[in-house]
Amino acid sequence: DIQMTQSPSTLSASVGDRVSITCRASQSISNWLAWYQQKPGKAPKLLIYKASNLESGVPSRFSGSGSGTEFTLTISSLQPDDFATYYCQQCNSHPYTFGQGTKLEIK
Amino acid sequence: EVQLLESGGGLVQPGGSLRLSCAASGFAFNSYVMTWVRQAPGEGLDWVSIINADGSYTDYGDSVKGRFTISRDNSKNILYLQMNSLRVEDTAVYYCARGDGEVSKRHFGFWGQGALVTVSS
Repeated sequence: DIQMTQSPSTLSASVGDRVSITCRASQSISNWLAWYQQKPGKAPKLLIYKASNLESGVPSRFSGSGSGTEFTLTISSLQPDDFATYYCQQCNSHPYTFGQGTKLEIK
Repeated sequence: EVQLLESGGGLVQPGGSLRLSCAASGFAFNSYVMTWVRQAPGEGLDWVSIINADGSYTDYGDSVKGRFTISRDNSKNILYLQMNSLRVEDTAVYYCARGDGEVSKRHFGFWGQGALVTVSS
């Protein structure tokens, strides 16, 4: 199985900051990676697919990059609504696997 | 508007069975791959199972293989998850989600609100 490792596990930041979250795969997954945002008590929401494609309706301050084994989710200017937990998912092969999550907290 | 509505969750004893349903609306259900993903309390996301559009192909995560069965009724637009031999560690919120993207390279664009399954004596 492909293991997905996110860093950091927790990130403290302020409104207006630029932040990045890293996701590493245990083997190459080309660009088959998705990013999700989850708020407490809610279902995950798709942000990015195929590593860098912005899902319809997602603000342009979110962007994704990377290929192979290393990927990054960047939020260019944090807004109050962005404080949540973020997960990466490898879409390359079954079993699909998720990173352990990165909790983005208000500093 | 795409909607996915899970039902059938609840409290069950270890070794028991439960069937989850996911009613879909707002899209051509019979054209889409569907999946189940679960989340234990305070934990991350764990992929459970997937089924292709006509139900002829299924796959499972290692932790549920041989105990859970995914199926679908395209005439009723409903996805199912039959869960047998339940264990305490199966306690989680179970989400159904629509598979989008390319064949065998699915991301999950729409999710239901989740159904809580609690396995406890």
